[in-house]
Amino acid sequence: DAGVIQSPRHEVTEMGQEVTLRCKPISGHNSLFWYRQTMMRGLELLIYFNNNVPIDDSGMPEDRFSAKMPNASFSTLKIQPSEPRDSAVYFCASSSSRDREKLFFGSGTQLSVL
Amino acid sequence: GQQVMQIPQYQHVQEGEDFTTYCNSSTTLSNIQWYKQRPGGHPVFLIQLVKRGEVKKQKRLTFQFGEAKKNSSLHITATQTTDVGTYFCAGPEGGSQGNLIFGKGTKLSVKP
Repeated sequence: DAGVIQSPRHEVTEMGQEVTLRCKPISGHNSLFWYRQTMMRGLELLIYFNNNVPIDDSGMPEDRFSAKMPNASFSTLKIQPSEPRDSAVYFCASSSSRDREKLFFGSGTQLSVL
Repeated sequence: GQQVMQIPQYQHVQEGEDFTTYCNSSTTLSNIQWYKQRPGGHPVFLIQLVKRGEVKKQKRLTFQFGEAKKNSSLHITATQTTDVGTYFCAGPEGGSQGNLIFGKGTKLSVKP
């Protein structure tokens, strides 16, 4: 079974550039989560979708961050413009309606903003 | 706001020694989950505990949920180098049905 697929695995960009992170959840899962992981703050929930609809985006740091889920098999997290403090590992996770709290994480995107 | 605290932050053990990490929530939880993240990897679900005082075992790993459903522990017997990684506990925001709030994790290193 394919797990949660994220791309790219690594992204290095310059401050001010737009960054787009991509995620394909596990087929049949109807909940999708974007997390950010840093040494200082640990794992932080950025946004959560249920059935492709954003339910809770209170963790999105500021207006520079946006997320979409145009269909059940694809989601994007966009940062525009990026800043050095956005450097982190961004994880996408999905879960099923039957076991919503059992999260399956993707391999993450290591983002470095110079 | 709701907090999920884990101690210790780091633990270095000799291979064969036991290891325990503790998790405490500021609110009563309907359930608690444990995840393991290997160095350079992603969090992987280990187990979910639901009942007061519940104890579950997975080979050398023993998970316990406190009677008050506000604390939990993970104990590893006779650690091996394959146990290296960061162990996270997580509980639902608001105590139940909410999104998962993760603790900061306990990073375990094992010296062969």
